[in-house]
Amino acid sequence: QVQLVESGGGVVQPGRSLRLSCAASGFTFSSYGIDWVRQAPGKGLEWVAFISYDGSNKYYANSVQGRFTISRDNSKNTLYLQMNSLRPEDTAVYYCARDQPQQWLGLFDYWGQGTLVTVPS
Amino acid sequence: DIVMTQSPDSLAVSLGERATINCKSSQSILYSSNNKNYLAWYQQRPGQPPRLLIYWASTRESGVPDRFSGSGSGTDFTLTISSLQAEDVAVYYCQQYYSTPALTFGGGTKVEIK
Repeated sequence: QVQLVESGGGVVQPGRSLRLSCAASGFTFSSYGIDWVRQAPGKGLEWVAFISYDGSNKYYANSVQGRFTISRDNSKNTLYLQMNSLRPEDTAVYYCARDQPQQWLGLFDYWGQGTLVTVPS
Repeated sequence: DIVMTQSPDSLAVSLGERATINCKSSQSILYSSNNKNYLAWYQQRPGQPPRLLIYWASTRESGVPDRFSGSGSGTDFTLTISSLQAEDVAVYYCQQYYSTPALTFGGGTKVEIK
């Protein structure tokens, strides 16, 4: 079965960096685009970033552009999110979510359980 | 960015009764070349990640019970739960995927048992 497992969250001071990982299994990882979506405590969902199946295309929300970098290692079936210059407003549960094969649609059919990132003010 | 507005913010429905959630987009999300509405609905149960219920505004994801249905076109959309079950207690989100990379979600509607 399709599984996405995030890790790497924690408490980090403003201005510092953190790298999240998302380990995938149960499907051909190298055929699917993957997104990061976050959810601040008690709030709604916010799309963060997308990477295409082969890593050639990447897109970011305005709120993280220039600070976050999405990447993937298809040989390890793993997605990453490098988060730099963290701010208190980045505090959220970060989910990786599977997009569609071969194209970016922005439609998420499987989600991980999420990893919590806390940036105290 | 396309703004997605859901209503109501919350609703309480008796078991077995109908629940209706509305979602309005700030501009049309109907793509004329394929006549598809780029609208999805997700369910998020307490402590769980979101789950895809409906896409293309009215297509049920595999495994989703048929008491869930989606309708609407252009800018106005509805998610209907025809007969509310206890396991349907959740927050429901609409999402547009018409405007990439600026994907946006509605603010959510919390469904509870009356």
